[in-house]
Amino acid sequence: DVKVTQSSRYLVKRTGEKVFLECVQDMDHENMFWYRQDPGLGLRLIYFSYDVKMKEKGDIPEGYSVSREKKERFSLILESASTNQTSMYLCASRQGQGAREQFFGPGTRLTVL
Amino acid sequence: GEDVEQSLFLSVREGDSSVINCTYTDSSSTYLYWYKQEPGAGLQLLTYIFSNMDMKQDQRLTVLLNKKDKHLSLRIADTQTGDSAIYFCADRPHGSSNTGKLIFGQGTTLQVKP
Repeated sequence: DVKVTQSSRYLVKRTGEKVFLECVQDMDHENMFWYRQDPGLGLRLIYFSYDVKMKEKGDIPEGYSVSREKKERFSLILESASTNQTSMYLCASRQGQGAREQFFGPGTRLTVL
Repeated sequence: GEDVEQSLFLSVREGDSSVINCTYTDSSSTYLYWYKQEPGAGLQLLTYIFSNMDMKQDQRLTVLLNKKDKHLSLRIADTQTGDSAIYFCADRPHGSSNTGKLIFGQGTTLQVKP
């Protein structure tokens, strides 16, 4: 079974802090994604990576950056956390070009005070 | 840009059928998906349908696709309390085979009453 893990289930940070959210997949997938989930808005794509060291902006990249130094790990970085970044963050991975399914991690609920 | 819309809430009684609806705007979609999110968990793929199909059945699940109206539905027969979850419709636009990018709807919370 594909396993996508996220470093924390719950995280509380203060405004202005630098925040790292980590995601690891164990199936040698090429593509990885970061979404945020907000009630009534569904999932919105922040960034994705189609290969190691490659990244592309999604629909809402402002205030975020990403890093993918190794194939299995995709990090989301909030350079200076703000209260409007309080949300559920979901990581997903996909095998590669043409694959139909994205596999999701359990999510990290981030609260910024 | 592309958009996917769902109603936010549906309540049914155990044993009834549930129908969750979704509309999308992309006329060149390749695949359309239904994901399920149980409380405190990530999303799990339930089923998907290729855009040249109009129906797909998988045990208690039936997916209907009306391409003319850009309408997708998920029917759950004999709904159980374990089906209580948020259901997301998602569209994979044409040209996103390389990236795998999906456009998600807002999610429909299904409440199943005993």
